[in-house]
Amino acid sequence: EAGVAQSPRYKIIEKRQSVAFWCNPISGHATLYWYQQILGQGPKLLIQFQNNGVVDDSQLPKDRFSAERLKGVDSTLKIQPAKLEDSAVYLCASSLALAPTSNTGELFFGEGSRLTVL
Amino acid sequence: GQQLNQSPQSMFIQEGEDVSMNCTSSSIFNTWLWYKQDPGEGPVLLIALYKAGELTSNGRLTAQFGITRKDSFLNISASIPSDVGIYFCAGPLDGNTGKLIFGQGTTLQVKP
Repeated sequence: EAGVAQSPRYKIIEKRQSVAFWCNPISGHATLYWYQQILGQGPKLLIQFQNNGVVDDSQLPKDRFSAERLKGVDSTLKIQPAKLEDSAVYLCASSLALAPTSNTGELFFGEGSRLTVL
Repeated sequence: GQQLNQSPQSMFIQEGEDVSMNCTSSSIFNTWLWYKQDPGEGPVLLIALYKAGELTSNGRLTAQFGITRKDSFLNISASIPSDVGIYFCAGPLDGNTGKLIFGQGTTLQVKP
């Protein structure tokens, strides 16, 4: 079974530029997440989708970050304009179900997209 | 807000030794998860705990859900070089959703 695919793996941009990351979840997984992982920290949830609807985006900095999952499968995360503090690994994860209280709720993470903002 | 504190922050041990790490929270969790992250990879779930007092094993790994529901422990027995990585505890932010909050991680290095 193919895992969560993300691209690009690495991106270097200058501050105030824009960047987009793409994620293709595991086939059949209804729930998709974007997490931000700053060096030396644990991942932090940015946004959660259920099919093509947003379940929670309370921790997404909406002045510069946007995300969409138009057809309920692939998702893109965009940052515009980027700031130095956005340097991080952006992890996409997917799960069959919404809750981790059953084995269908396990989150499967992609390898991440490492962003460096200069 | 909710916060998970892991200790120790890092460990450097000899191959064959046992390892213990823990995670504490200021609030109650109804699920505890332990993930491992290798360099350049995303986190991978090791063990999931769903009931207070539960003790669950996965090979050489054993994790426990604390009775108070505010802590969890992960033990690795007879460590091997491939155990190297960062271990994260995590729990759901809002009850039964997949919105996870992660600890800051425990970095494990194993000397052959």
